[in-house]
Amino acid sequence: NAGVTQTPKFRILKIGQSMTLQCTQDMNHNYMYWYRQDPGMGLKLIYYSVGAGITDKGEVPNGYNVSRSTTEDFPLRLELAAPSQTSVYFCASTPGRGNEKLFFGSGTQLSVL
Amino acid sequence: AQTVTQSQPEMSVQEAETVTLSCTYDTSESDYYLFWYKQPPSRQMILVIRQEAYKQQNATENRFSVNFQKAAKSFSLKISDSQLGDAAMYFCACQPAGGTSYGKLTFGQGTILTVHP
Repeated sequence: NAGVTQTPKFRILKIGQSMTLQCTQDMNHNYMYWYRQDPGMGLKLIYYSVGAGITDKGEVPNGYNVSRSTTEDFPLRLELAAPSQTSVYFCASTPGRGNEKLFFGSGTQLSVL
Repeated sequence: AQTVTQSQPEMSVQEAETVTLSCTYDTSESDYYLFWYKQPPSRQMILVIRQEAYKQQNATENRFSVNFQKAAKSFSLKISDSQLGDAAMYFCACQPAGGTSYGKLTFGQGTILTVHP
């Protein structure tokens, strides 16, 4: 079991560029999430999905898009990158039962310059 | 809507001593879950302990325990017999208990814990 795998681990973008952060999990979890962590701050929810084909906005969705075509994959798309999107991005998943913990990926550190 | 506040940006403790990290929260939900997550320099998010709000008994996991005061909306983490490996950023988080809310956590700002040998 690899758990939740995120790629890339680090990326530098120029303002206005676009990119996709990849996330895949091999635990057959229905629920998946994207969080961002700004320097010295807690995590904030960007988007989430409760199953293939179903996605919804979290607290800070502006500037991002997601898709969920399979149970395993939940990519996060950044369009027209801005310096305000400099952050560490975490993908997470959970089976979706009550107080089950979130399984986190190791994060992607993104800098927009 | 939920808010989680950690009022201690940094804390320090001597190895083998006990330290308590504070957390207060606010939620309009009647049922919810509370969590403490640890984030070492590796950046990995590690669940330390969790508490179900409807349970009065405080959760305990080995050297980690919580003091859950529901009326005061307080959820502090006590680390006993501190070890060098406990050094990390600690996040308090709250999640509504409803089925549509799985995994939708609200995090506090974090407390950096330093452990001195």
